[in-house]
Parts: sequence; C-alpha cells; structure tokens
Amino acid sequence: SAVISQKPSRDICQRGTSLTIQCQVDSQVTMMFWYRQQPGQSLTLIATANQGSEATYESGFVIDKFPISRPNLTFSTLTVSNMSPEDSSIYLCSVEAPPREQYFGPGTRLTVT
Amino acid sequence: GQQVMQIPQYQHVQEGEDFTTYCNSSTTLSNIQWYKQRPGGHPVFLIQLVKSGEVKKQKRLTFQFGEAKKNSSLHITATQTTDVGTYFCAGLKVRDDKIIFGKGTRLHILP
Repeated sequence: SAVISQKPSRDICQRGTSLTIQCQVDSQVTMMFWYRQQPGQSLTLIATANQGSEATYESGFVIDKFPISRPNLTFSTLTVSNMSPEDSSIYLCSVEAPPREQYFGPGTRLTVT
Repeated sequence: GQQVMQIPQYQHVQEGEDFTTYCNSSTTLSNIQWYKQRPGGHPVFLIQLVKSGEVKKQKRLTFQFGEAKKNSSLHITATQTTDVGTYFCAGLKVRDDKIIFGKGTRLHILP
C-alpha cells in the first residue's frame, strides 16, 4: 500500500478564484488519479496524471478548468480554476499499486461561496 | 452513463444481522474491487477479485465474482457497529481498461 497526503484538507474559497490541491505519496508511483466526490455520492474520475506526459481528462472535465501537474513520481497538483459554487465537493487523489489496486488520499473538502 | 450498478443504495440493519450489497456491470470486467468509506473518511481498498466465480473471505466479509465476470457481491455476516460506512464496488472494464465506481451502498447499523 501507499501513504498519501493532501493539502489543504479543506478550504472555503470565493467564486472566481482558484485553488491548488497538492498530493504527496510516500513512494514512487506511475499512475495517479484525481477524483471528485459530492457528499454522499460516488467517485467521479477527473483525470489520470502520469509523470512526463499530459494528463488525460475524462468526459466533462477540461484542462483549462482543472489543470494538473505531475513533476515527479511522488507528487501531483490539481488546480480548480475560476471556481463557482458547483465546484464545491471533495477532491481526492489516488495512486495505483500493482495489481491495479487504488489507494486514496484523505481528500480536500472545498466549499465555494 | 453509469455502467456499474450497485444495490441497494441504503441499508439499515440491526446489529448482528447479515448484510449484502450487489454490483452489476453491463460489460465484462477484468476485475472487481471493493472499497469501504467510513463517514467523513476516504475510500479504503478492501479486496480485488479477478477470476470467474472467485470467492474470497476476510473474517466476516465474503466477496464473490460472478461466473460471467459481470456481477459481484459483498456479504457481511453478523454486522457490528464498526461496519458502518459506504461500500463501493469498482469494476475494471475489459473494453477500455478503465475503472468505474458504483454509486455505493450506505450501511447503517441499528443498535
């Protein structure tokens, strides 16, 4: 398994601003993922972030809104840009460890006012 | 649209009763994974099933993968208050190698 930390754990932001969420893993991993989870709902994959290449975004998510960086094998950031109240959610990063098991960070609870 | 259906959405059981949640996919899966999310927590990996008809046990939890690799179940025997949480299945689709999470079953234990 992997130990994953996320910063910040929660934030309250004003609409129109941007927030960058950091995800740090205690070991080198190839595959990192960013999910969004509305309270009481399932997990929706935003994008897959692989080191050394552009992130791959799922349908409904675009790079301009959710830019992702993956500078090395232990770190990634997700930025939520030009926020609106609809972006209020829990954002989770996860990593994939063989054989295709996912381990999640503690999440970032974002509230946009 | 949603390709991994999970039922029931909610389940209330008396402590000591059994609990089962079911996961059904419209397409064949390479594997199925189960996760548990405690209230206020993040999803935690429980187990992965890969083989057709596979059955795995973890103490009071029994996991099954269907023969056609399109459905799965998680059964908890004699529930305890520590079992409270939401149980998610996640299927790895053969077609595009993507993991799709079910909507989860929220388990509430009545004392």
